Amino acid sequence: GAGVSQTPSNKVTEKGKYVELRCDPISGHTALYWYRQSLGQGPEFLIYFQGTGAADDSGLPNDRFFAVRPEGSVSTLKIQRTERGDSAVYLCASSPGRGGYEQYFGPGTRLTVT
Amino acid sequence: KQEVTQIPAALSVPEGENLVLNCSFTDSAIYNLQWFRQDPGKGLTSLLLIQSSQREQTSGRLNASLDKSSGRSTLYIAASQPGDSATYLCAVNGFQKLVFGTGTRLLVSP
Repeated sequence: GAGVSQTPSNKVTEKGKYVELRCDPISGHTALYWYRQSLGQGPEFLIYFQGTGAADDSGLPNDRFFAVRPEGSVSTLKIQRTERGDSAVYLCASSPGRGGYEQYFGPGTRLTVT
Repeated sequence: KQEVTQIPAALSVPEGENLVLNCSFTDSAIYNLQWFRQDPGKGLTSLLLIQSSQREQTSGRLNASLDKSSGRSTLYIAASQPGDSATYLCAVNGFQKLVFGTGTRLLVSP
């Protein structure tokens, strides 16, 4: 079956602009995660959805970052007033449920803020 | 707060060698541990998942072990090949989110 997909694969934006990054999880997976990976680092957790609700958003760095999953499937990560420090690869993962399930990752969106 | 450390940060070996990558974590209250492979500019490919109740998992030339009480995991790669060149990441699952190490960058030369 299809894996996790993310669009766009690359996004270049100017400082101060608004961006949206999209994630399509594996069909039937109720849990969805966003991570951010800076160059040379391991991914860092941003937010976790179980169904439609954000069960844990403790990794969001500040209030410029927001994510939604209105129908419990596709999720959008939204970044307002982008800064150069937001440049990174944003990874999405999904799993069949909460807890100890394996997480399956998408290819990521590379965001560059100029 | 969970912290994950991977040693070595980089490793270069000739083809055919067996090698061991190390991962340590500070909080033993985990659900599972995953090993991933990441090629340059690409996403993460899951290699092995070890549940907290398990001691090891094997897939082909890969074997991962877990010692939860001491906070350690190892990834053993047998008979390494140039195609194994990549960054290897370990991640521990405390309940819902994965906490990653910074990875080991592996280069296998022909």
